[in-house]
Amino acid sequence: GAGVSQSPSNKVTEKGKDVELRCDPISGHTALYWYRQSLGQGLEFLIYFQGNSAPDKSGLPSDRFSAERTGGSVSTLTIQRTQQEDSAVYLCASSPPGTSGAKNIQYFGAGTRLSVL
Amino acid sequence: SQELEQSPQSLIVQEGKNLTINCTSSKTLYGLYWYKQKYGEGLIFLMMLQKGGEEKSHEKITAKLDEKKQQSSLHITASQPSHAGIYLCGAPGLGAGGTSYGKLTFGQGTILTVHP
Repeated sequence: GAGVSQSPSNKVTEKGKDVELRCDPISGHTALYWYRQSLGQGLEFLIYFQGNSAPDKSGLPSDRFSAERTGGSVSTLTIQRTQQEDSAVYLCASSPPGTSGAKNIQYFGAGTRLSVL
Repeated sequence: SQELEQSPQSLIVQEGKNLTINCTSSKTLYGLYWYKQKYGEGLIFLMMLQKGGEEKSHEKITAKLDEKKQQSSLHITASQPSHAGIYLCGAPGLGAGGTSYGKLTFGQGTILTVHP
């Protein structure tokens, strides 16, 4: 596709259930990022992938959160035993290869709005 | 950790008016990104500034980076309703060796409303 694709666009779940959020980056983009946007906390970094490895997981809020990336492309963010405070918009971004300049521009998907009841 | 503070938090202007949004960093800026977001949508890239003193323009939007003040400003000339949305500034982090790998820290956003 032309842009970063995220699915589902909306997810409503019950407290305690597990959820999986999917991100399909722009073709050829090696870097992939997950962010979370909530009213109280703004836009926060969660995890960064370079290829299939995740050199920076520092933003994951707890061990209930995990992410993987396979084939250097699609990534899945999994939240186990969801809590109400997990309700937020989860945004994915990707950027092309390179370590500086215009190649660092991150292109964002429309996000997944997660509501935990 | 780096913090970015945007001002004002919200702004309401009449169509045709000029406006400025500021983004101030608590630490040295190694580049600065401006994005725009509309409700229910992702972030749309506007501009990237890499060097102190750099200024870029796109249509009626101009952004500047003042490295010494650790600050960037976004200026919209002759605002239009299509400019309405949330404007976010983001600063990249530094990885090993001092190279930026793009993890972004964002300001809290400025909500812009433009009345026709």
